[in-house]
Amino acid sequence: QVQLQQSGPGLVKPSGTLSLSCDVSGGSISSRNWWSWVRQPPGKGLEWIGEIYHSGTTHYNPSLGSRVTFSVDKSKNQFSLRLTSMTAADTAVYYCVRDEGTVMDWGQGTLVTVSS
Amino acid sequence: DVVMTQTPLSSPVTLGQPASISCRSSQSLVDSDGNTYLSWLQQRPGQPPRLLIYRISKRFFGVPDRFSGSGAGTDFTLKISRVEAEDVGVYYCKQSAQLPYTFGQGTKLEIK
Repeated sequence: QVQLQQSGPGLVKPSGTLSLSCDVSGGSISSRNWWSWVRQPPGKGLEWIGEIYHSGTTHYNPSLGSRVTFSVDKSKNQFSLRLTSMTAADTAVYYCVRDEGTVMDWGQGTLVTVSS
Repeated sequence: DVVMTQTPLSSPVTLGQPASISCRSSQSLVDSDGNTYLSWLQQRPGQPPRLLIYRISKRFFGVPDRFSGSGAGTDFTLKISRVEAEDVGVYYCKQSAQLPYTFGQGTKLEIK
């Protein structure tokens, strides 16, 4: 079974940049899966941020505009999220997800708070 | 974006009784490959969501058969035949037919 382990800061300053990584174990980042990010503001519902394929093909949620970037590091079996110009509205639990359509594996989640 | 509307938003249920959650999409979720990409997820308190049902009615590995999904086109339903205490949590429908993928608002299942 694929396991996802997230890492990254829990606190980001307003206007700062969030960088999160997701380490994949029990499977290859180059397998036929889409690797995605989902976030959940405290006490609220789920928002799909986007997805990346191992080839580098990406799909982003237009609601985030050009603030979001995904990347894949095959040597580390890892994929990452970068979100710029953070505001209080970006405070949320961020999840990395393996989404194969018939299978979904979730990371443990990282609570990211935007505060000075 | 495809808007996913769930009803009810809260569902108090007696243990052992059935529960039903509806999800309606603003557009058809039938893909060009003929499949309908509608999933149901469960999120227990303090945990990440987990996949219960995919493609309307297919149960994910290990999901109890008291969970069932049905529907077509734009109207879908998740049913729990007999609610157990471990079923408490929030249930989300999700569409993966059109980018960006979207979730319903969530339905909170609680025990009366």
